[in-house]
Amino acid sequence: GQNIDQPTEMTATEGAIVQINCTYQTSGFNGLFWYQQHAGEAPTFLSYNVLDGLEEKGRFSSFLSRSKGYSYLLLKELQMKDSASYLCAVDGSGNTGKLIFGQGTTLQVKP
Amino acid sequence: NAGVTQTPKFRILKIGQSMTLQCAQDMNHNYMYWYRQDPGMGLKLIYYSVGAGITDKGEVPNGYNVSRSTTEDFPLRLELAAPSQTSVYFCASHGRLSNQPQHFGDGTRLSIL
Repeated sequence: GQNIDQPTEMTATEGAIVQINCTYQTSGFNGLFWYQQHAGEAPTFLSYNVLDGLEEKGRFSSFLSRSKGYSYLLLKELQMKDSASYLCAVDGSGNTGKLIFGQGTTLQVKP
Repeated sequence: NAGVTQTPKFRILKIGQSMTLQCAQDMNHNYMYWYRQDPGMGLKLIYYSVGAGITDKGEVPNGYNVSRSTTEDFPLRLELAAPSQTSVYFCASHGRLSNQPQHFGDGTRLSIL
């Protein structure tokens, strides 16, 4: 079967660093995406990994290990506006672009 | 540039009624997708299309139908609404390469009573 696991909820303090983990088991792998979704809004793209290693983009970084079926999203210098759900999604579909989403991790940033 | 536009934003249906959720994109994207998102859950794929005239089932297609007569439009049809279809529906699209991120519409919040 195909499965993506993320923690359901996390809490962190403003200004701190938080790491959101994602493990996946899929029949194929064409890349892994992270999306941010604020309550009541649509998901928005954060990052994409297809090769092993770290991709850095401002305060956000994403890491991938294909051999371990593992990724994480690292958020630095947390701000209150970072309170949102973070969705891990795997493209394992060949060339259809179909994504399998995890259930999402709801991050609450506290002052 | 409007991106992906979904209508309506909200709708309440009675059990057994039918409706069409509209989705249009102006980015000339080949790939389009319909997802549903239940409270506290991730997105589940209902149907997808890799180009005009081509559609295929996703993970949860039962109770829905789609068509893709043009590149721009990808409507989702509910024929006999059931309470289990109460959800938030998102339409998304992306361009030619599968490593391009999907762009999402603002969603349609649908309640079946």
